[in-house]
Amino acid sequence: EKVMTQSPATLSVSPGERATLSCRASQSVGSHLAWYQQQPGQAPRLLIYGASTRATGVPARFSGSGSGTEFTLTISNLQSGDFAVYYCQQYTEWPLAFGGGTKVEIK
Amino acid sequence: EVQLLESGGGLVQPGGSLRLSCAASGFTFTNYAMSWVRQAPGKGLEWVSSISGSGDITYFPDSVKGRFTISRDNSKNTVNLQMNSLRAEDTAVYYCAQGGGSGFDYWGQGTLVTVSS
Repeated sequence: EKVMTQSPATLSVSPGERATLSCRASQSVGSHLAWYQQQPGQAPRLLIYGASTRATGVPARFSGSGSGTEFTLTISNLQSGDFAVYYCQQYTEWPLAFGGGTKVEIK
Repeated sequence: EVQLLESGGGLVQPGGSLRLSCAASGFTFTNYAMSWVRQAPGKGLEWVSSISGSGDITYFPDSVKGRFTISRDNSKNTVNLQMNSLRAEDTAVYYCAQGGGSGFDYWGQGTLVTVSS
């Protein structure tokens, strides 16, 4: 069973700056890694799949990188709507697993 | 436009049962696996179950295996989650999601299940 660990738990960033979020897998997941954004009181939204491919309608400010066990989500030029919780998820094998999330808050 | 609409949540006593449903529209239903993901109050996301497009293959984590079953009706574009022997730790918002083995492309707004006496 693959365990996903996200860091940091909370990231304080000023609007217009860059946020870098990390996700680590306990074993290799190849590129079978997705990122989601969740606003308070809303359902999650798919941002990235295949570790680096943006989902439909996702701005280019969001970029994903990595493979194997180390992954990064970078959000450039943070906008007000980007302050949210972000989750990574592996889908290389069952059981599917999410990381614990990183909250990006306004500094 | 893809739409997923969950129903069936509510308050149930420990040991009780509940059946959730998800009505899907806006895509070719049989082409996609479907899943349920839950979120306990103030907590992160937890995958609960997935079912293949044809409905012949299902998956569960150990936390719900033997208590939950998933099914789909491809003639009605619906997917169901039957939850038995419910526990307090099953209290969560349950989301229906399109996909399973390749990430979750679309999500419903969720339905709240509360297990309490």
